[in-house]
Amino acid sequence: AQKVTQAQTEISVVEKEDVTLDCVYETRDTTYYLFWYKQPPSGELVFLIRRNSFDEQNEISGRYSWNFQKSTSSFNFTITASQVVDSAVYFCALVPGNTGKLIFGQGTTLQVKP
Amino acid sequence: NAGVTQTPKFRVLKTGQSMTLLCAQDMNHEYMYWYRQDPGMGLRLIHYSVGEGTTAKGEVPDGYNVSRLKKQNFLLGLESAAPSQTSVYFCASSWGYSYNEQFFGPGTRLTVL
Repeated sequence: AQKVTQAQTEISVVEKEDVTLDCVYETRDTTYYLFWYKQPPSGELVFLIRRNSFDEQNEISGRYSWNFQKSTSSFNFTITASQVVDSAVYFCALVPGNTGKLIFGQGTTLQVKP
Repeated sequence: NAGVTQTPKFRVLKTGQSMTLLCAQDMNHEYMYWYRQDPGMGLRLIHYSVGEGTTAKGEVPDGYNVSRLKKQNFLLGLESAAPSQTSVYFCASSWGYSYNEQFFGPGTRLTVL
């Protein structure tokens, strides 16, 4: 089965707290691609990061960081020192093999309160 | 650069009516996609196209048809709308097939009564 699971439906934090969004994926393909997208209240999806299955290096971009672990089939996303502008729905997604088809998780709604 | 645009932004249909959603991109992308977003289910792929004149079925294609007569446009048609097709529809495009990120349009909110 090819599937993405975001077990956290909603998370609420207070500004400046750190928060981690979990993503677990399933695929039998050895080559695959993982993505994170942000959907702010305006509705449009914004690309955040891409990882291929052969690159397990973690990545940091400002307050955002991503932890890719093939051993646990996880691609978790951490926001450090959260801000109100981080409030959005975050989607983790998988492209198995060379299918070109994005398989989305259910999304995690993050609310950052002032 | 407008990126990916969708027309219309909102629409209300009665059961049995037909309509076409238009997606346009000005990035010269080969690949285009139509998704629907329903509460608690993320986005699901309806149809996609790997180039002008080509279309293929995605995860949930029933009740929809598509056409890609021009590289920059991807049309999604509902021949006989049903309440189950009430959803938010997103169009996306990308350079490449798997590795490249997809660029999304602003969405069309469709209600079928």
